[in-house]
Amino acid sequence: EAEVAQSPRYKITEKSQAVAFWCDPISGHATLYWYRQILGQGPELLVQFQDESVVDDSQLPKDRFSAERLKGVDSTLKIQPAELGDSAMYLCASSSSREMNEQFFGPGTRLTVL
Amino acid sequence: GNSVTQMEGPVTLSEEAFLTINCTYTATGYPSLFWYVQYPGEGLQLLLKATKADDKGSNKGFEATYRKETTSFHLEKGSVQVSDSAVYFCALRTHYKLSFGAGTTVTVRA
Repeated sequence: EAEVAQSPRYKITEKSQAVAFWCDPISGHATLYWYRQILGQGPELLVQFQDESVVDDSQLPKDRFSAERLKGVDSTLKIQPAELGDSAMYLCASSSSREMNEQFFGPGTRLTVL
Repeated sequence: GNSVTQMEGPVTLSEEAFLTINCTYTATGYPSLFWYVQYPGEGLQLLLKATKADDKGSNKGFEATYRKETTSFHLEKGSVQVSDSAVYFCALRTHYKLSFGAGTTVTVRA
């Protein structure tokens, strides 16, 4: 069964360091999403791609966060510099198109900033 | 703006008990409604959905009915199992964007 892959699964870093997360969506899925899930809360959308283009990054803290999906397939989310408040689960999801209701989620990357 | 309010947890039940998790929403337009489940150590999985008023979503013994008049989408299961222990998230979708509730942790004891 096709799945969304994410790596690493866990990341511990010190504040002011740079971190990067990788996501490989289900093959053929044009739409890719990055979410942040703070402990005890629901996921919050950070950025949405349609193919290689960003269609929604209204909740992405652009002073320190960046995301790219250069070839319209896999994607990288970067934080530089990391802050203590960035400790969270970062989830990637994909869907076959923006219009499709179902999003398929990866297992997430748990980030701890010390 | 759009928002989802879920019943706070944690909820602890015995096997074969009846489960209800309340969910209400605020949205502009006509959202689609979802329940997602997150098992320990795993990503979110879609449990069920409803796309218009009075639709009933169902899966794995869980049910939820889209109630426009009460802006609700409560999740129910008649007889829970230990394997249903997880975090459950109610969500709505408008303008290609999902908004989630805070989640309800459910623990089922044998």
